Amino acid sequence: GAGVSQSPSNKVTEKGKDVELRCDPISGHTALYWYRQSLGQGLEFLIYFQGNSAPDKSGLPSDRFSAERTGGSVSTLTIQRTQQEDSAVYLCASSLARTNYEQYFGPGTRLTVT
Amino acid sequence: AQKVTQAQTEISVVEKEDVTLDCVYETRDTTYYLFWYKQPPSGELVFLIRRNSFDEQNEISGRYSWNFQKSTSSFNFTITASQVVDSAVYFCALSERRDDKIIFGKGTRLHILP
Repeated sequence: GAGVSQSPSNKVTEKGKDVELRCDPISGHTALYWYRQSLGQGLEFLIYFQGNSAPDKSGLPSDRFSAERTGGSVSTLTIQRTQQEDSAVYLCASSLARTNYEQYFGPGTRLTVT
Repeated sequence: AQKVTQAQTEISVVEKEDVTLDCVYETRDTTYYLFWYKQPPSGELVFLIRRNSFDEQNEISGRYSWNFQKSTSSFNFTITASQVVDSAVYFCALSERRDDKIIFGKGTRLHILP
């Protein structure tokens, strides 16, 4: 596709359930990023992939969060045993190479944990 | 550690006025990259500019201009003759060559009043 796509656009889940958020980056972009944006807040960097590997996972807020990327393309962010504080917009971005290149953002997934 | 400070949380100006958004950064690396992104009410972040640490030339793009000053660790953004469509949240961001993280400031919400 022409841009970064994310699915679902909205997700409402009950506390304690697991959720999977998907990101499809721009074709040919080797770098992929996940961010979290809480209501009215800035962007919190979660994780970065170069190809299929994630050199630094220290931005993930807890061990309930995990992410993977397969085939150098699609990435999935999984949140296990969701908590209310996980409610936020989860943004995905991709870039041609690593972090010093401009990033192109997807529309985000709005996650609400009830 | 890297840090980006956008001290102005919210700014309101009347249409056609000029407005400057401040960004101050901290880094220990000698090679780094600075960015500005715009997040309109629709929510999708849009890349505006990328600047590397070795290029201190100011940049002008239409009504937008950027002033990069290493001496004060600032990368300020000015909108000339503001328009209502400029209303958005603007984020400044920093990445270091030696790291894979990109750190965003908390953003400045800009209201352009008709």
